[in-house]
Amino acid sequence: DVKVTQSSRYLVKRTGEKVFLECVQDMDHENMFWYRQDPGLGLRLIYFSYDVKMKEKGDIPEGYSVSREKKERFSLILESASTNQTSMYLCASSTGNSGANVLTFGAGSRLTVL
Amino acid sequence: GQNIDQPTEMTATEGAIVQINCTYQTSGFNGLFWYQQHAGEAPTFLSYNVLDGLEEKGRFSSFLSRSKGYSYLLLKELQMKDSASYLCAVRDSNYQLIWGAGTKLIIKP
Repeated sequence: DVKVTQSSRYLVKRTGEKVFLECVQDMDHENMFWYRQDPGLGLRLIYFSYDVKMKEKGDIPEGYSVSREKKERFSLILESASTNQTSMYLCASSTGNSGANVLTFGAGSRLTVL
Repeated sequence: GQNIDQPTEMTATEGAIVQINCTYQTSGFNGLFWYQQHAGEAPTFLSYNVLDGLEEKGRFSSFLSRSKGYSYLLLKELQMKDSASYLCAVRDSNYQLIWGAGTKLIIKP
């Protein structure tokens, strides 16, 4: 069964803390994505990567950074967490960039910043 | 700007049929997706439309009209397990996905 695994389902952090959200996929997908999901809003793309060591800003990259040192792993980093970063974070992966290019999502990491 | 509209919430009865609409205004069009998301779980892929018409997959069908900027997801023979949010997403000319806020579907016995 193919999977996207997010290391933490629930995290509670304090304002100013550094936060790491890890995502690993076992499907040998080229593309990986980080989204945040908030009530009443569509998924918003934070960062994405089409290859190892490559990263591109999405729609809302401010306050976030990413790392992709290996093909299967894509990490989201909050350098100094703030309360407005309290959200559900979804990692996804896909193969190629043509055709349907369906996303496979992880179960999500719910982050609360106090 | 780019926009995807879908109803916030719908209620239907077990065994019935429900249609969830999605209208979009995007910079270009390279396909429309429907995903299902149960509460607390990952979104999972349901359907993909890139040409006009109806795509049928078991109890679920998805329709697309590119000229009208319109799609719908049709769910037949509703089951309690169909209670979930249904997300509509359009891939624009830059191959980026634009997401609707989702429609929460409540199924009543």
